[in-house]
Amino acid sequence: KQEVTQIPAALSVPEGENLVLNCSFTDSAIYNLQWFRQDHGKGLTSLLLIQSSQREQTSGRLNASLDKSSGRSTLYIAASQPGDSATYLCAPPGNYQLIWGAGTKLIIKP
Amino acid sequence: DTGVSQDPRHKITKRGQNVTFRCDPISEHNRLYWYRQTLGQGPEFLTYFQNEAQLEKSRLLSDRFSAERPKGSFSTLEIQRTEQGDSAMYLCASSFGTSGGSYNEQFFGPGTRLTVL
Repeated sequence: KQEVTQIPAALSVPEGENLVLNCSFTDSAIYNLQWFRQDHGKGLTSLLLIQSSQREQTSGRLNASLDKSSGRSTLYIAASQPGDSATYLCAPPGNYQLIWGAGTKLIIKP
Repeated sequence: DTGVSQDPRHKITKRGQNVTFRCDPISEHNRLYWYRQTLGQGPEFLTYFQNEAQLEKSRLLSDRFSAERPKGSFSTLEIQRTEQGDSAMYLCASSFGTSGGSYNEQFFGPGTRLTVL
């Protein structure tokens, strides 16, 4: 059974810092992994989908890496901005559904 | 806008009442998913459709919950005899997948927030 852990659970940093959010999963037999952003009380926005054949995927200031063998993915946010404040969730797939961690709540202070 | 839409966005009901939510997926997507999310937690899978067939149901989906996707397009999720523990955000997602279980990116709607008084 796939289990997902995200560390840290919460993070508060000043604007401009580079950040790394960590995601670990127990079953490495995955096709790919998605990273999402969720603003408070809102739905989920897909940020990046990284395939199992890829080691990295980039979108703007975001870079996601995937190491299946160690069961880890990281989301790197460069030059953080107050608008990046949200909860970030990683989700590897199960049989068809996504399996979720509890997320990392990120606060970027101006 | 051609994203996933959900209706209503908010629903307040009294315990014991029935409620129904609707999800309209991205038009070319054949797969549709329902998840439930409580405060401070990640979403939990409820059920999954490929076209009109309901292929997987979580044990979380008790007998009071039923979902349909009658024509392989929109889907409805009904909760009968609501309980206070049903209060949550109900999220719908869609994706395009081919037979054989290949997995593609899921796109989510804005969710329906249910409050049971």
